Amino acid sequence: DARVTQTPRDKVTEMGQEVTMRCQPILGHNTVFWYRQTMMQGLELLAYFRNRAPLDDSGMPKDRFSAEMPDATLATLKIQPSEPRDSAVYFCASAPGGSNYGYTFGSGTRLTVV
Amino acid sequence: AQSVSQHNHHVILSEAASLELGCNYSYGGTVNLFWYVQYPGQHLQLLLKYFSGDPLVKGIKGFEAEFIKSKFSFNLRKPSVQWSDTAEYFCAVNSQGGKLIFGQGTELSVKP
Repeated sequence: DARVTQTPRDKVTEMGQEVTMRCQPILGHNTVFWYRQTMMQGLELLAYFRNRAPLDDSGMPKDRFSAEMPDATLATLKIQPSEPRDSAVYFCASAPGGSNYGYTFGSGTRLTVV
Repeated sequence: AQSVSQHNHHVILSEAASLELGCNYSYGGTVNLFWYVQYPGQHLQLLLKYFSGDPLVKGIKGFEAEFIKSKFSFNLRKPSVQWSDTAEYFCAVNSQGGKLIFGQGTELSVKP
C-alpha cells in the first residue's frame, strides 16, 4: 500500500530549539496538508500545498512556524523557536488533486517541547 | 465559514450494541463528506466517503453512513460493534479549495 511517510516519529526538544518535521507524500499526490492534533483543539489545519505552492497557511502561527515543499517528494514544517504549547502530534496528509478522494495520513510526529 | 459538529464526545457501548454517531455540517454548497477512524496511537484512516449518488454509503469494517441533505447530517452507523472498534471517529467535510474540515471527534469505547 502506498503511504505517507513522516519523520521523526517522536521528538523531544527544549523550549527555544528549532524543530523540523518532514513528510514524504504518496507519489503522484499533488496536494499536501499539515494538521496539528491536540486534546484541547482537536485536528487543526495548519497549511496546505498544491503542486508545491502554498494555498492556505492561515491556520499557522506565522511568527514561529513555516512550511515548505522544496520538491514534490518532500514537505517540511519548521518551528523556530519552539514553545511548550507547540507540543502536539503533527500529521501530514496527501491527496491526488484535492480532497475529493479523501486524504491519506501519515503516522504523525509526536512533538514534546519541555 | 464551514464547520462540522459531532454531538457526542465520548460514547461507551457493550459489544454487539448498535452504534450511531452524529455529525452535522454547515456549508451551503455541494459537499463531500468523510468519516475517519483513529485507533489508539495510530494515524487517521478513511472509513467511508460520500460524493454523490446513493446517500447511504457503505465503508470498511461494517460501517455505513447516511447523508441527509435536508438535515445537513452524515451520521455513522454500525449494527453491532466489537471491542476492536474502540477508537476515535472523526467526521469531515471538504470546503472550497480542497480543505478538509474536521469535527472535534467522538471517542468510542467498547466494553468486552
